[in-house]
Amino acid sequence: DVKVTQSSRYLVKRTGEKVFLECVQDMDHENMFWYRQDPGLGLRLIYFSYDVKMKEKGDIPEGYSVSREKKERFSLILESASTNQTSMYLCASRPLAGGGTGELFFGEGSRLTVL
Amino acid sequence: RKEVEQDPGPFNVPEGATVAFNCTYSNSASQSFFWYRQDCRKEPKLLMSVYSSGNEDGRFTAQLNRASQYISLLIRDSKLSDSATYLCVVNMVNTNAGKSTFGDGTTLTVKP
Repeated sequence: DVKVTQSSRYLVKRTGEKVFLECVQDMDHENMFWYRQDPGLGLRLIYFSYDVKMKEKGDIPEGYSVSREKKERFSLILESASTNQTSMYLCASRPLAGGGTGELFFGEGSRLTVL
Repeated sequence: RKEVEQDPGPFNVPEGATVAFNCTYSNSASQSFFWYRQDCRKEPKLLMSVYSSGNEDGRFTAQLNRASQYISLLIRDSKLSDSATYLCVVNMVNTNAGKSTFGDGTTLTVKP
């Protein structure tokens, strides 16, 4: 089975802190994604990566950056956390096969609270 | 207008009921379609893919109407364990990794 592991299930941070959210997948998938999910707004794409060191902005990249130094690992960085970044963050991966139209495999999510 | 629209519900139904969810999408170039299930405070998980010919998996039937840009999910003989949020997902290849657009979800509560 595909396993997508997010390093922290629950985090509490203070405004202005730097936050790292780590995601690792074990199925050699080329594509990896970071979403945030908020009530009434659904899942929104922050950033994605289709290869090592490659990244592209999603729909809401402001206030975030990402890093993909190894194929299996995709990190989301909040350089200076703000209260409006309190959310559930979901990492997902997908193989390149199918041209990127296949199933997304999600991690369990990281619930971040910024005080 | 959102790219993918779902009736948010909530749908409250008794056990054994049949319930149908609808989803519309705006981009006619969309290429693949899915229903995901998300339990409270959990991650979304694939329920089933949706094909033009329609597909069935036990009590669940999914249909796609490309002409009307409409997707449906039918659940027969509802169980308590079907209580969840159901997300409609539409994919297209317009980026290097494909783009998945999610509906906001339809919440189902099945009651004894």
